[in-house]
Amino acid sequence: GENVEQHPSTLSVQEGDSAVIKCTYSDSASNYFPWYKQELGKRPQLIIDIRSNVGEKKDQRIAVTLNKTAKHFSLHITETQPEDSAVYFCAASVNDMRFGAGTRLTVKP
Amino acid sequence: DTGVSQDPRHKITKRGQNVTFRCDPISEHNRLYWYRQTLGQGPEFLTYFQNEAQLEKSRLLSDRFSAERPKGSFSTLEIQRTEQGDSAMYLCASSLGTGWAEETQYFGPGTRLLVL
Repeated sequence: GENVEQHPSTLSVQEGDSAVIKCTYSDSASNYFPWYKQELGKRPQLIIDIRSNVGEKKDQRIAVTLNKTAKHFSLHITETQPEDSAVYFCAASVNDMRFGAGTRLTVKP
Repeated sequence: DTGVSQDPRHKITKRGQNVTFRCDPISEHNRLYWYRQTLGQGPEFLTYFQNEAQLEKSRLLSDRFSAERPKGSFSTLEIQRTEQGDSAMYLCASSLGTGWAEETQYFGPGTRLLVL
């Protein structure tokens, strides 16, 4: 089955800096790669996703890149703000969704 | 509220008891998923339904766990003879799946289970 690894497990940045979170997946059949943000005690919320026929997608301060050959994808957050502080999960899907272990992002004001 | 809802939000039970959780997906969504999340980990896939058919079940899922979606709308997840290791947040998600393409999954608020 699919295995998703996510790095780093914790990330601390200064407000205004960029943050990058990386994930690798094992199943080359995976065709959908979402990123979720989860604040303490709340449900995971989708922030951006990308499909296997696209290499990059951007939405305001958030971007995701996908390298199918290397089987890795990354989340980029620019101009970070304190409200970006949360746990971020990547996932890869082929029929079912497998999540990474999460990255706790802290943005220091 | 037109989002995914789950009931109850919290459940405390004694070891050995049975518990049942309910998930109501977004009304037009045909796919429904169950996940388990423990502290500091990502959601772990348990099972999923397309309409009323259970299409996949995690190999990690004990025989004590069973899920149903009898009319293709709401779903129930039952855990029999609960163990302390079952303590976790149980998340439900739904999506509108068409063909092979995976669509966005929207999560419910979860049911937090504590087994004493």
